Parts: sequence; structure tokens; C-alpha cells
Amino acid sequence: GIQVEQSPPDLILQEGANSTLRCNFSDSVNNLQWFHQNPWGQLINLFYIPSGTKQNGRLSATTVATERYSLLYISSSQTTDSGVYFCAVAGYGGSQGNLIFGKGTKLSVKP
Amino acid sequence: EPEVTQTPSHQVTQMGQEVILRCVPISNHLYFYWYRQILGQKVEFLVSFYNNEISEKSEIFDDQFSVERPDGSNFTLKIRSTKLEDSAMYFCASRAGQTEAFFGQGTRLTVV
Repeated sequence: GIQVEQSPPDLILQEGANSTLRCNFSDSVNNLQWFHQNPWGQLINLFYIPSGTKQNGRLSATTVATERYSLLYISSSQTTDSGVYFCAVAGYGGSQGNLIFGKGTKLSVKP
Repeated sequence: EPEVTQTPSHQVTQMGQEVILRCVPISNHLYFYWYRQILGQKVEFLVSFYNNEISEKSEIFDDQFSVERPDGSNFTLKIRSTKLEDSAMYFCASRAGQTEAFFGQGTRLTVV
């Protein structure tokens, strides 16, 4: 099956700093989503981005499908950005869109 | 904004007991899923459900697990005889088609 690797595993930032999170995947995908898991465990949809670039406020994401990676950019980080960021992908073929998750990047933003 | 809702938010059960986790997917969605996340680990796929039948299941989804869509709105996950290692956060998700999946807030299951 598809392998998903996220880096870095942990990231500590000062409030106001920018960061880039990376997601590499091992095969072609027809779905790629970024999630933020908040301290209560909820998975919050950030982006649905199987290819291209999207922006939503201070967050943006880019997926280069041909090179099998995606990047999540967080600008001017805030303490509320803390949590775990997951990348998840679904491949072509027989799967019914089942998402395969990476291990996540744990982000801590210090005031 | 439509959302996936799960109940209960937290359930504590005795080992060996049966539990049913409930989900109400987004109303016009066609694909339904259960995932689980053991504390501190990544989210893992359990089962997908489409057109009133299981379309795919992982090796985690053994005979102790079953899913059902008993009416037009609910989607349930049953664990027949819970084990300590079933303690996890269980997420329900739904999808309209070849689009993004939306996740519920999760049910934290604790088996004691």
C-alpha cells in the first residue's frame, strides 16, 4: 500500500514565526487532505488538495503530485495553531477513498 | 454547515462487553468510514461502507467488529467483546464522492 511520511515529527516555534510541514507519499494519489488535530482530539479539515495550491488565511498548501509530495505552510503562527498536523492520502485502484494517514507533525507554538 | 456527528463522545466499558458507537454522516454523502486512533499514534483505517455494504476493511477489522446502516441517517460500529487493546479514539467519516472526507469529533473508548 501507499506509504506516507511526514516531517519533521516535532516542531517548536515562537509565536509569530513561519513554518513548513512536509508530506511525502509513495504512489499516485487521487485524494490528499491536511488535518489539524486539536488538543481535544478533533480532526479539523484544513485542505483538500490532491494537486495545486490553495490558501486559507495564514495557512496555505501545495501538492506536487508528479513528485509525490505536499507542503503545508503556516505563517505568523499563533498558540492556537498548536496540535498535531496530519497528512492523509487515498490512492487509485480498488480503494473506496480510504485515507492513509502519516504519523503527523506535532507543532508547539510558544507565546 | 453540515457536519458528521458521533455519540457518545466518551464511553467506558468493561472488558468483554459489547459497545455500539454511533454516527450520523452528512446527509447527501454516499461513502462512510470508520477509523481509529490509539493514543499517541496515527489514525488507522478500519472499514469503508458504500451502497449498503462493506466495500473494504483492514486487517484490524476482524470478526469482533461489525458495521450497520440501520436507517437512512445512522451508521454504527459494533465491537462484540471488547478487549483492552480496543481502547482508542474512533472516528466516523463520510464523503459525497471523489471529494474530501469529513470526520466526526470522535468517540473516545476506554476499556477497563
